[in-house]
Amino acid sequence: KAGVTQTPRYLIKTRGQQVTLSCSPISGHRSVSWYQQTPGQGLQFLFEYFSETQRNKGNFPGRFSGRQFSNSRSEMNVSTLELGDSALYLCASSPQPGQVGVETQYFGPGTRLLVL
Amino acid sequence: AQSVTQLGSHVSVSEGALVLLRCNYSSSVPPYLFWYVQYPNQGLQLLLKYTSAATLVKGINGFEAEFKKSETSFHLTKPSAHMSDAAEYFCAVSVAGGGNKLTFGTGTQLKVEL
Repeated sequence: KAGVTQTPRYLIKTRGQQVTLSCSPISGHRSVSWYQQTPGQGLQFLFEYFSETQRNKGNFPGRFSGRQFSNSRSEMNVSTLELGDSALYLCASSPQPGQVGVETQYFGPGTRLLVL
Repeated sequence: AQSVTQLGSHVSVSEGALVLLRCNYSSSVPPYLFWYVQYPNQGLQLLLKYTSAATLVKGINGFEAEFKKSETSFHLTKPSAHMSDAAEYFCAVSVAGGGNKLTFGTGTQLKVEL
């Protein structure tokens, strides 16, 4: 079974631009979560989607948004990029959204975003 | 809210020596605990997870961790380090009803020396 795929793997943008990152979950997985990883703040939860609905959201400004499609693929968008948005953005998928327990999440390789 | 503290941002061991990476958690409700490993330029790979079934959890690559409620700890161990174990290790916590949201520690970089 193919793992979680993220595109693109590397991206360079300038301040003020916007960016869209894509994540394809493992086949059959319906829950997708996004995390931001930076040297200063570490790994931080952005949001989680299931059945095209955002179920959970981290403490990030409204410039960060996401969506999920009917085939469970997900995109996240960052508008008006700032230098501090430079990070590795990781996507993780799991079969279910963890309503009772916490499902094991499988991470993709990430998209490394550099904002100049 | 739950949190995780990883003591020691860098740990160095000799090949063949015991690996001990420390993780303490804080949670007002029973936690679910995870250890992930990250190799350079890669995503996170699950090593093991604790979901209240057994306090001693065995994972991949010879790693194991013991949940100790009285000490609020979930330390990761491996009896004999291998060069291929050099990577960054993250402890994470989540709780029932929190969806799949993971709260991560700051990570521990493991170096294995000959």
